[in-house]
Amino acid sequence: SQELEQSPQSLIVQEGKNLTINCTSSKTLYGLYWYKQKYGEGLIFLMMLQKGGEEKSHEKITAKLDEKKQQSSLHITASQPSHAGIYLCGADGSDNFGNEKLTFGTGTRLTIIP
Amino acid sequence: EPEVTQTPSHQVTQMGQEVILRCVPISNHLYFYWYRQILGQKVEFLVSFYNNEISEKSEIFDDQFSVERPDGSNFTLKIRSTKLEDSAMYFCASRILRPGGKHYGYTFGSGTRLTVV
Repeated sequence: SQELEQSPQSLIVQEGKNLTINCTSSKTLYGLYWYKQKYGEGLIFLMMLQKGGEEKSHEKITAKLDEKKQQSSLHITASQPSHAGIYLCGADGSDNFGNEKLTFGTGTRLTIIP
Repeated sequence: EPEVTQTPSHQVTQMGQEVILRCVPISNHLYFYWYRQILGQKVEFLVSFYNNEISEKSEIFDDQFSVERPDGSNFTLKIRSTKLEDSAMYFCASRILRPGGKHYGYTFGSGTRLTVV
C-alpha cells in the first residue's frame, strides 16, 4: 500500500518568511492533492498535480511535483497569519481512471508568529 | 462553485446507538467516498461507492458500518452500534470522471463531528 511521509511534522515561522513543506511517497504519485485544515475542521482544497515536473501557484502558495512523481513540495512565500493550519498531502495510488481512494500524509502543522 | 454538503455538522450519541451521517454529493459526480479522521490523526479511507455498490472498503469498515444511496442524491453512512472509538470527524467526498476517461479531483464536504459518549 502507498505511504506518504510529510516533513516537517510541525513548523514555526515568523510572519513574512518563506517556508517549504515536503510530501514523499513510497510509490509513484498519479495524482497529488494538497489540502489545508484548521484543527478539527474540514479540508480546504489547495491544488492538484498530476504530471511529472508540474508546478502550480495560487496567490502566495506554489506546489510542485518532481519529475519522478514521488515527491511534492508546497512553498509559501511571505507567510501571513492566515496561512497557519495543518497542511495535508493526499495521493491517488494508480492511474487506472477508476475509483481510486486517496491516501493521506500525517500532516504538517504550521504556526505563524508575529 | 458546487459543494458536497454534509449533515449534521455535529452529532453526539450514546454508545450502542445507531447513527446515520448524511451527505449530498455534487449532482454529476459518479464516485462517492467516506473518510474519517480521529482528532490529531491521519485522514483514513473507509469506503468507496460507485454504480450503487461498494467498490472498495478498508479494514475499519466492518459489519457495523453500511452505506446507501437511497434516492439518487443522498449518500449515507450508518454505524449500527456506536463505540467510543468511533468518535471522529467523518468526511464525505465525491469525484467525477471527466470526458475521455481522465479522472478529476476530489471534492470533500466540511465533515460531521461524531462524539460517542
